[in-house]
Amino acid sequence: DVKVTQSSRYLVKRTGEKVFLECVQDMDHENMFWYRQDPGLGLRLIYFSYDVKMKEKGDIPEGYSVSREKKERFSLILESASTNQTSMYLCASRQGGASYEQYFGPGTRLTVT
Amino acid sequence: TQLLEQSPQFLSIQEGENLTVYCNSSSVFSSLQWYRQEPGEGPVLLVTVVTGGEVKKLKRLTFQFGDARKDSSLHITAAQPGDTGLYLCAGAKETSGSRLTFGEGTQLTVNP
Repeated sequence: DVKVTQSSRYLVKRTGEKVFLECVQDMDHENMFWYRQDPGLGLRLIYFSYDVKMKEKGDIPEGYSVSREKKERFSLILESASTNQTSMYLCASRQGGASYEQYFGPGTRLTVT
Repeated sequence: TQLLEQSPQFLSIQEGENLTVYCNSSSVFSSLQWYRQEPGEGPVLLVTVVTGGEVKKLKRLTFQFGDARKDSSLHITAAQPGDTGLYLCAGAKETSGSRLTFGEGTQLTVNP
């Protein structure tokens, strides 16, 4: 079974702090994704990566950056957290090729006060 | 602009009832997926439909992809409390590479 783990289930940070969210997958998947999930808005793509050290902006990259130094690990960085970044953050991975199935981690609920 | 629109956004029914959730778009998708998300967990894939007009069944769940590949529906027969969750549709386009476009989700509650 594919397993995607996220470093924290719940996180509370203060405005202006630098925040790191870590995601690890154990199936050697090429593609990894970071989404945020807000009520009524569904899942919105922040950044994705199709290979080590490769990244592409999603629909809402402003205020975020990412790092993928190893194939199994994809990190999301909030350089200076703001209250409007309070949200559920979901990481996902996907094998390359024809299958679009994405495997999700359990999510990190981030609160910025 | 939401490329995939789901309806209804909320649905509360009694155990044993039938229901249908819709996922609509003006865009054509090469495939469409349905996920279910339970509280505190990430979404889990239920099914992928690829061919226009395709119908797939998963026990009491029936998924249909529209002939023009712009819409999809999920029908649940004799709903059970274990069906409670957030149902998300997601579309893939060949021009979008690895990306999926997600609908807003339908929150289903099945009361015993």
